Amino acid sequence: EVRLVESGGGLVEAGGSLRLSCSASGFTFSNYELSWVRQAPGKGLEWVSYISHSGDTIYYADSVKGRFTISRDNAKKSLYLQMNNLRAEDTALYYCAREEQLKWLAVDYWGQGTLVTVFS
Amino acid sequence: QSVLTQPPSVSGAPGQRVTISCTGSSSNIGAGFDVHWYQQFPGTAPKLLIYGNNNRPSGVPDRFSGSKSATSAYLAITGLQAEDEADYYCQSYDNSLSGSRVFGTGTKVTVL
Repeated sequence: EVRLVESGGGLVEAGGSLRLSCSASGFTFSNYELSWVRQAPGKGLEWVSYISHSGDTIYYADSVKGRFTISRDNAKKSLYLQMNNLRAEDTALYYCAREEQLKWLAVDYWGQGTLVTVFS
Repeated sequence: QSVLTQPPSVSGAPGQRVTISCTGSSSNIGAGFDVHWYQQFPGTAPKLLIYGNNNRPSGVPDRFSGSKSATSAYLAITGLQAEDEADYYCQSYDNSLSGSRVFGTGTKVTVL
């Protein structure tokens, strides 16, 4: 069974930092592209960042570029999101998302999310 | 602010057909990028409903179908059921934004 389990969320003051983790199981982690997607309370989905299966290719949404860093450790089957200089508008539920090549890179599995709350 | 626009809400009676539009531009849907659709119930993670414009993952009922034309994509639900009441999001890619995946604004489907 494919599982994605996020952790690391919490309450942080504006300007602070958090590191989110996503632990994967049930599939060959190193074969898959991954993304972070967030959802502010009562709002829609917003793509945040993407990393290729090898970690060679990385993309960021303009809203987080220069502040967030995505990374992965294939040996540990883990995905990370280092979030620095956090702003109130970064408050959201952050999902770890697996992209399936055979489904045109659609997200076929999502974690349950970890909540980040930024206060000022 | 999303580059893919969806109607905030659509509604229909049980058994009816409803269609959700996802309007983009020449840098995303119109550029030939694939469109995916997700269904989300309150308090839960999204679920993949349609991938690659018109393909259903295993287990998704065939009353859900997707299509694409020019700079728009569409999700149709035929034979609407009470259990279809949820939020729906389209997703594609945009070549004017660095490697970006982009989501639609989301549509709330209400079964009357």
